Amino acid sequence: DAMVIQNPRYQVTQFGKPVTLSCSQTLNHNVMYWYQQKSSQAPKLLFHYYDKDFNNEADTPDNFQSRRPNTSFCFLDIRSPGLGDAAMYLCATSRALGTSGSSSYNEQFFGPGTRLTVL
Amino acid sequence: GDSVTQMEGPVTLSEEAFLTINCTYTATGYPSLFWYVQYPGEGLQLLLKATKADDKGSNKGFEATYRKETTSFHLEKGSVQVSDSAVYFCALSDNGQGGSEKLVFGKGMKLTVNP
Repeated sequence: DAMVIQNPRYQVTQFGKPVTLSCSQTLNHNVMYWYQQKSSQAPKLLFHYYDKDFNNEADTPDNFQSRRPNTSFCFLDIRSPGLGDAAMYLCATSRALGTSGSSSYNEQFFGPGTRLTVL
Repeated sequence: GDSVTQMEGPVTLSEEAFLTINCTYTATGYPSLFWYVQYPGEGLQLLLKATKADDKGSNKGFEATYRKETTSFHLEKGSVQVSDSAVYFCALSDNGQGGSEKLVFGKGMKLTVNP
């Protein structure tokens, strides 16, 4: 089945120790998103890739970076995790059609998430 | 900016009870509206959607109607089951104004259904 896969499902890291979360997809979607979801809160978009173009949200801290080496994979790097970065990190994909302003919508497909604990 | 306000709960219902989860939105354009569901330990799944005013989305017995005049997209189900226990998120999309879709979520509502 086509799907969005996130590894690992649970990640424990130490305060200040860099960590990388992985997302892969078999849907061949051209857009990939990273969301942060803290306990009992709504998912918050950190950034997304539209093909190879990186789009950072204005309020995403510099501590969070992302890489997309190819269509299938996207990584979230947290350079120096703090206690406040403990959260569920959700990856999502979609197929965007048309140019900016197009009203065509394609569903976002979410992975199961990686729960990050910072000690 | 765009925002979504929804009932936060938590809510506990008995099986076969009627469910309504209120959702209202603020948006500058003409957003698409969604309900996502998150079962314990899992990612978000799209439950239903509506892309324009007066559209009704439906799935698995759930329904929601896009009401432009009241900027609302309330979720309803006539008879809930234990398996409906989950967290429900209302969301809107800016329809690709920035070149790709961006979702803005409400805070979510945890529903527990008891036998």
